[in-house]
Amino acid sequence: SQQGEEDPQALSIQEGENATMNCSYKTSINNLQWYRQNSGRGLVHLILIRSNEREKHSGRLRVTLDTSKKSSSLLITASRAADTASYFCATGWMDSSYKLIFGSGTRLLVRP
Amino acid sequence: EAGVAQSPRYKIIEKRQSVAFWCNPISGHATLYWYQQILGQGPKLLIQFQNNGVVDDSQLPKDRFSAERLKGVDSTLKIQPAKLEDSAVYLCASSVLMTSGTSTDTQYFGPGTRLTVL
Repeated sequence: SQQGEEDPQALSIQEGENATMNCSYKTSINNLQWYRQNSGRGLVHLILIRSNEREKHSGRLRVTLDTSKKSSSLLITASRAADTASYFCATGWMDSSYKLIFGSGTRLLVRP
Repeated sequence: EAGVAQSPRYKIIEKRQSVAFWCNPISGHATLYWYQQILGQGPKLLIQFQNNGVVDDSQLPKDRFSAERLKGVDSTLKIQPAKLEDSAVYLCASSVLMTSGTSTDTQYFGPGTRLTVL
């Protein structure tokens, strides 16, 4: 089964509004990453937060991580129509090698 | 910097046929991954290479799937014979291998190959 589960599964907002997506996971991690996937395209890395970090910013993106609750959130501020995509959280951890386990994703629609 | 290249972009086959996908990672990236992404789900790792060696193939259905990376650069993923449930997008990704022997955290993905099995 997949490590991360996103909530909500789908989100529809108006351009200019903020979008918040949540991710929960089950086991210990080294880091948590967020990826974006536009329709018909591959995944693009957005941001990485390490297990000893609590918050990270990148442009209009803000990610938080609460390891005690095994959860993370991605906030996109001042959304644009171009932000319409699926967003996936992926938990990174070391086994015999470094592994990424992806969640099921949140489909974001930003209406113009 | 050129990204991860994959071909073909789309493939339609009938069940029990065979199919092969090709991936060329970013130059200098020693670690290469193949993922399967079923519609509505996140990507699932099938196999991971470091240079031309397999690091993890625990989730690869070895009775029908095979992959190789003979020269440590390009890679091919094959399905033979295909089943209806193999319909998915097959994503290739690559990452840098650190001198410590571990891969960096960020993976760079190609556009994927969308496979439809009829």
